[in-house]
Amino acid sequence: EPEVTQTPSHQVTQMGQEVILRCVPISNHLYFYWYRQILGQKVEFLVSFYNNEISEKSEIFDDQFSVERPDGSNFTLKIRSTKLEDSAMYFCASSEWSRYTEAFFGQGTRLTVV
Amino acid sequence: TQLLEQSPQFLSIQEGENLTVYCNSSSVFSSLQWYRQEPGEGPVLLVTVVTGGEVKKLKRLTFQFGDARKDSSLHITAAQPGDTGLYLCAGVRTGANNLFFGTGTRLTVIP
Repeated sequence: EPEVTQTPSHQVTQMGQEVILRCVPISNHLYFYWYRQILGQKVEFLVSFYNNEISEKSEIFDDQFSVERPDGSNFTLKIRSTKLEDSAMYFCASSEWSRYTEAFFGQGTRLTVV
Repeated sequence: TQLLEQSPQFLSIQEGENLTVYCNSSSVFSSLQWYRQEPGEGPVLLVTVVTGGEVKKLKRLTFQFGDARKDSSLHITAAQPGDTGLYLCAGVRTGANNLFFGTGTRLTVIP
């Protein structure tokens, strides 16, 4: 069964460093998303991406964040200068079409900023 | 204020009992999804409801979307220990294409 895959599963980084989280969405899906979940809190929307551009973003997704689809398969989230409060699980998701946004999630990348 | 409030937050029941989890909002949603999340993993989609009043059944799980498309419920019949997990509702507001997640209900089924 097709699935969303994320790498790495766990990333530890020094505060101020740049990190890139990688995702391979389901191949025939057109919409891609990043969500995050701080430990013990709810899943929060960061950004959606369609047709090679950002479709929507939340207030969390500030200038420190960027997304890219560098080739036909990968979808990346970059955090330019990580802060302690960026520590969270980051989930990539994709959906076939946006009307019902029936999103399928990856296993997540646990980012720990020290 | 939370866009989607789930209740109860925590629920611990004996195997074989029935339970209902509620997901409420003052906003109207074009669709609503229910997910289940295990510790350290991503949410896994259980069902999508899109029509007001819609009822969907998935084995022992029954999902209902409110007539006004502002609320939803998940009913589990004869709960089993394998049902233990975090249940999340997530809605798509009209005109948007991203999910707003609820606060979650952590269910524990005791053998």
